Amino acid sequence: DADVTQTPRNRITKTGKRIMLECSQTKGHDRMYWYRQDPGLGLRLIYYSFDVKDINKGEISDGYSVSRQAQAKFSLSLESAIPNQTALYFCATSDPSWVNTGELFFGEGSRLTVL
Amino acid sequence: GQSLEQPSEVTAVEGAIVQINCTYQTSGFYGLSWYQQHDGGAPTFLSYNGLDGLEETGRFSSFLSRSDSYGYLLLQELQMKDSASYFCAVRENYGQNFVFGPGTRLSVLP
Repeated sequence: DADVTQTPRNRITKTGKRIMLECSQTKGHDRMYWYRQDPGLGLRLIYYSFDVKDINKGEISDGYSVSRQAQAKFSLSLESAIPNQTALYFCATSDPSWVNTGELFFGEGSRLTVL
Repeated sequence: GQSLEQPSEVTAVEGAIVQINCTYQTSGFYGLSWYQQHDGGAPTFLSYNGLDGLEETGRFSSFLSRSDSYGYLLLQELQMKDSASYFCAVRENYGQNFVFGPGTRLSVLP
């Protein structure tokens, strides 16, 4: 089983619908992230969380919300989906910063299409 | 704000050496990472530089110069399976989060 699991892997929805992407991890990491990937733009940070009570906005948080239900679970919601939110979404985890590593562990991605 | 620049595409032949550069502007720089992503897949970690200098991991090496806000990934003895996109990522804000470059698509030709 993958250490970082995302569901659903693919979703097609219509404009105005509410969508939730879920992420769960078995790595025991406190830090979790949601990124969005568009062609030619790399990965852009939406939200990140360092523990259950900590939520931080990233570069492109408008139109998104998150919930950290437990150390192992971090969900991303689109309250009212719009076509320009069509993208590939990645969840990731990392060790705390005092562990000197630059490694993020990614899930397999969730491809969202908004019609 | 933060920004990272990398070439959009690089092409090389099997067995060759290729260098992918990354320049950055960021606040609270903490380190520079490199990731590989094959089409349809997730990014996978290759290397990290927290200090100036060269880090070597098999066929891949990564270099950082903090005074120049510059780093590179060096891939040696290229193989067809190295065809992928490569992203540099800055660990910034004193380690709080990671910001990615736009990616470099490497094509390895026979």
